[in-house]
Amino acid sequence: DADVTQTPRNRITKTGKRIMLECSQTKGHDRMYWYRQDPGLGLRLIYYSFDVKDINKGEISDGYSVSRQAQAKFSLSLESAIPNQTALYFCATQGRTLEGYTFGSGTRLTVV
Amino acid sequence: AQRVTQPEKLLSVFKGAPVELKCNYSYSGSPELFWYVQYSRQRLQLLLRHISRESIKGFTADLNKGETSFHLKKPFAQEEDSAMYYCALSPTSNTGKLIFGQGTTLQVKP
Repeated sequence: DADVTQTPRNRITKTGKRIMLECSQTKGHDRMYWYRQDPGLGLRLIYYSFDVKDINKGEISDGYSVSRQAQAKFSLSLESAIPNQTALYFCATQGRTLEGYTFGSGTRLTVV
Repeated sequence: AQRVTQPEKLLSVFKGAPVELKCNYSYSGSPELFWYVQYSRQRLQLLLRHISRESIKGFTADLNKGETSFHLKKPFAQEEDSAMYYCALSPTSNTGKLIFGQGTTLQVKP
């Protein structure tokens, strides 16, 4: 079983729709992150959370919101999807010792 | 501004040739630097971090503070090294956030 699981793996949605991407982890890590990956731009940080009561905006948080439902779950929502939010989205976790991230497999989102 | 730059989108070499993936960073403090790799159809995974000074899969990277660089090197490329490589910087040791470069695709030809 994967340590960090993202659902769905692929999703096509229409402009204006609300969509939620989910991330769950069995690593027991406190820190969780959402990034989006775009060709030529690398990975950019959307939101991050250091524990259940701590949520922080990353560099490109506009148009997104998150929810940390439990230590193991961190969801990313697009309230009203737009085509330029088409991307590959990654969730990552990190332990308190600040070792490297553990990434999920990614969610490929297409907004039409 | 904190920034990581990988100047090459694509690096193509023949098997057995040396490889150097370039990474330059912009940061005023003492950075922590990483290389991540993404093989085809697999998730991103940590390749190495500068503070551990390890050699993973034959790759090494040395932090050069004078040139603000953290280039990834391997003396003899293998076909299985073909992947996307990301350089990343952690601005301070307490935040855990990573700033990623744009990525370089390494293509090792037989």
